[in-house]
Amino acid sequence: QKEVEQNSGPLSVPEGAIASLNCTYSDRVSQSFFWYRQYSGKSPELIMSIYSNGDKEDGRFTAQLNKASQYVSLLIRDSQPSDSATYLCAVNRQGAQKLVFGQGTRLTINP
Amino acid sequence: DTEVTQTPKHLVMGMTNKKSLKCEQHMGHRAMYWYKQKAKKPPELMFVYSYEKLSINESVPSRFSPECPNSSLLNLHLHALQPEDSALYLCASSRGGGIQETQYFGPGTRLLVL
Repeated sequence: QKEVEQNSGPLSVPEGAIASLNCTYSDRVSQSFFWYRQYSGKSPELIMSIYSNGDKEDGRFTAQLNKASQYVSLLIRDSQPSDSATYLCAVNRQGAQKLVFGQGTRLTINP
Repeated sequence: DTEVTQTPKHLVMGMTNKKSLKCEQHMGHRAMYWYKQKAKKPPELMFVYSYEKLSINESVPSRFSPECPNSSLLNLHLHALQPEDSALYLCASSRGGGIQETQYFGPGTRLLVL
């Protein structure tokens, strides 16, 4: 079992709809969870971080964390074509400096 | 300001060349990272420096040699690379030592080994 798993996609969503990206992790002592967006040929850019169970909202983005189910998700409301990118889920354990990435989900927003 | 800078943006080198990649941050971060990313794959951790000391080496071949001259600078020295080492090399930094550590990435150096 991979430490961090994501559906590689591609995930295709119409413009204006909600895009839902999912990630599961295997290590129960994981403490910090991150979503990065990566455009083709560019470096990863932090979108959201979440550390506690529940929802965290920032503009059109909402991160959801459920530690009991070892599940973290990212919702993008009112999806725009500029949201088309690969979204990387990353997990960090307490005391560990190692950020473990999922394989990434490729998201395409169709106008 | 969450800027990490990397130079050069692109690098082409032969298998016998010696070159260096440079990374710089002025956020007062005390942890710096090198990642390697191949096409359509996630970043893979190579090295971590914490308070200017090498804390993690992910069994990287010795043809890659990291150096942290001070808390703002991180270098990656390259020697006798192979074509399969062609990739995007990413530098990142974080505050250092805390539980809730966010890593901020630089733009990367795209390396081609001929």
